[in-house]
Parts: sequence; structure tokens; C-alpha cells
Amino acid sequence: QSVLTQPPSVSAAPGQKVTISCSGSSSNIENNYVSWYQQLPGTAPKLLIYDTNKRPSGIPDRFSGSKSGTSATLGITGLQTGDEADYYCGTWDSSLSAAVFGGGTKLTVL
Amino acid sequence: QVQLVQSGAEVKKPGASVKVSCKASGYTFGGYFMHWVRQAPGQGLEWMGTINPSGGGTSYAQKFQGRITMTRDTSTSTVYMDLSSLRSEDTAVYYCARVSNDYVSIDYWGQGTLVTVSS
Repeated sequence: QSVLTQPPSVSAAPGQKVTISCSGSSSNIENNYVSWYQQLPGTAPKLLIYDTNKRPSGIPDRFSGSKSGTSATLGITGLQTGDEADYYCGTWDSSLSAAVFGGGTKLTVL
Repeated sequence: QVQLVQSGAEVKKPGASVKVSCKASGYTFGGYFMHWVRQAPGQGLEWMGTINPSGGGTSYAQKFQGRITMTRDTSTSTVYMDLSSLRSEDTAVYYCARVSNDYVSIDYWGQGTLVTVSS
């Protein structure tokens, strides 16, 4: 079981919007930055969001991040078939003194 | 450009050890911590530990304490992850991953090294 909880799967039609939740606790999400990663099949993860809501250079503004209390959310608008991937949230857990990840969410663009 | 290039796939027998390397280039090696993260087939990401390439200090996940050793060679800008007493459950893709300046996010990942543990 992962320290952070994500839905196993989400789906939406091309052009639509989807959100992916990441639930944690006061020792991780509530008091630390959250990151989001996209993993396309057979490839290494790629950073999508850092510092909870910032996008690295080259990441389109269709991707956004937010946080409220012990939960974080990744939003993706204008869905494209190329967005089909596994998405992971991650942060630091101050109680465990460990980096922690969610179990991953598989996005299907119908 | 930042690159993390890992060593090739390995096949090991139960009880053996494996050492995976990760050669960094395109940035100041000592300026960024490095995580090791693994991913079992069809599973999620699992943090194994972190090394500070500057001083060599390490922090390991409790699950791997006693079985894992992370080292670095500053002359070649390479970090190493050594995992001993391998069992079938250690079959996974192992990634080195550079920790960003915020000390939380991972901004660059190696290509991954598949370690297969099988008798």
C-alpha cells in the first residue's frame, strides 16, 4: 500500500478535462511541496508539476496542480490521445523521513 | 543538457548482489542529491534512498536498511546502488533520479535498469 492514495484509473474524451486526486496526511502533503509525474508506457517518469503548482519549462499549461490541506490535485485540460499514461504524485514525508509516491493513476482518453 | 545514463540489464540468482551505476553529465555533480527509485513489473514507484554526491551522505528507506548501499565517485560523476541478498520480489526497473533544488521533486530520471532475480 502506498502512503499517498490515488484512484487507479480515470478516463475522459478527447478535448475534455480530467482531475486526478492524491490524498495524504499532515506529515506529507499538507506540509510539503507536491510533484506530479507522467509515465508513458515503457519509459521513465517525467516531471509535470513541481512545488505543488509550477510547471517545468516545456510542459504545456494544459497541466496544472493544486493542493488543499492533505490532498493534492492534478488537472489536465484539452485532453489528447498522447496524454494516455500513468500519473504519479510524490512528496516528502517528514515522519517517515522518506520520499513517498502515490500508487499511480492510469489515464485513458476515450 | 542533463543526462543520467545507467548501466545495462542484469540477471541475478536469489541471494546474489547487484550493483547499478548511473553516470551524470550536463550539470555540477555535487550540486544535487540523487534518489534511487524502483518499479516492479506493473507496479508503482518505490523510493529506495538518497545520496548526497557532494559529501557522500546517504539516507535509506527502512525497508532496505541493511541490504542497500549507495556510493558515488566524484571523479567520474557516477553514483552506484548496491542491493544484496536479492529475492524474486526485487525484480524491477531501477531508476536513478536527480532531486531538484526544492529537495522534493525529481527533475531528471535515468533510463532505468531492469534487474531480474530468478533461479
